[in-house]
Amino acid sequence: QLQLQESGPGLVKPSETLSLTCTVSGGSISSSSYYWGWIRQPPGKGLEWIGNIYYSGSTYYNPSLRSRVTISVDTSKNQFSLKLSSVTAADTAVYYCASYCTNAVCYSYYFDYWGQGTLVTVSS
Amino acid sequence: DIVMTQTPLSLSVTPGQPASMSCKSSQSLLHSDGKTYLYWYLQKPGQSPQLLIYEVSSRFSGVPDRFSGSGSGTDFTLKISRVEAEDVGVYYCMQGIHPPFTFGPGTKVDIK
Repeated sequence: QLQLQESGPGLVKPSETLSLTCTVSGGSISSSSYYWGWIRQPPGKGLEWIGNIYYSGSTYYNPSLRSRVTISVDTSKNQFSLKLSSVTAADTAVYYCASYCTNAVCYSYYFDYWGQGTLVTVSS
Repeated sequence: DIVMTQTPLSLSVTPGQPASMSCKSSQSLLHSDGKTYLYWYLQKPGQSPQLLIYEVSSRFSGVPDRFSGSGSGTDFTLKISRVEAEDVGVYYCMQGIHPPFTFGPGTKVDIK
């Protein structure tokens, strides 16, 4: 079973760049059967999908965040990362990384395993 | 973007009794491959979301059979046949047919 763990600063100043890393264990990030995604949840609110990445580096992002988001993958470390630029207080949220299983192994597509989440607060 | 709505937003249930909640999408979630990409997730207090149901009615590995999903097109339902104390939390529906993937606002379930 895959396990995912987010890491990164819990406090970011307004206008700066939020950077988080997700470490995958229990499987290879280079698996052709998975994409890897980021989802966030502002305190007390609902879930917002940020974007997904394939081990090859192919990405797709939420258009609402596309101008500020970069998701990258480091296969040598079995990690993928999120960068969100020009943050404001509205970006304060718990950020989750998750595995997105694809048709190749799951005969469908879905986010099956999630990290525990990490709270990032944007404040000066 | 596809808008997901859920009703009710909160639900208080007696243990052992059934519960039902609804999810509607602004567009059909039926893909050209014949599958309908509607999911149900449960977020227990203080935890990350966990997958319960995929493709409307398929239970994910380890999910008890008291959970069942149904529906088609734009209208979907999640039912719990006999609610247990461990079922408390927020239930989210999510569409996966078209990025950006979107979630409903959630139905919060608690125990009477």
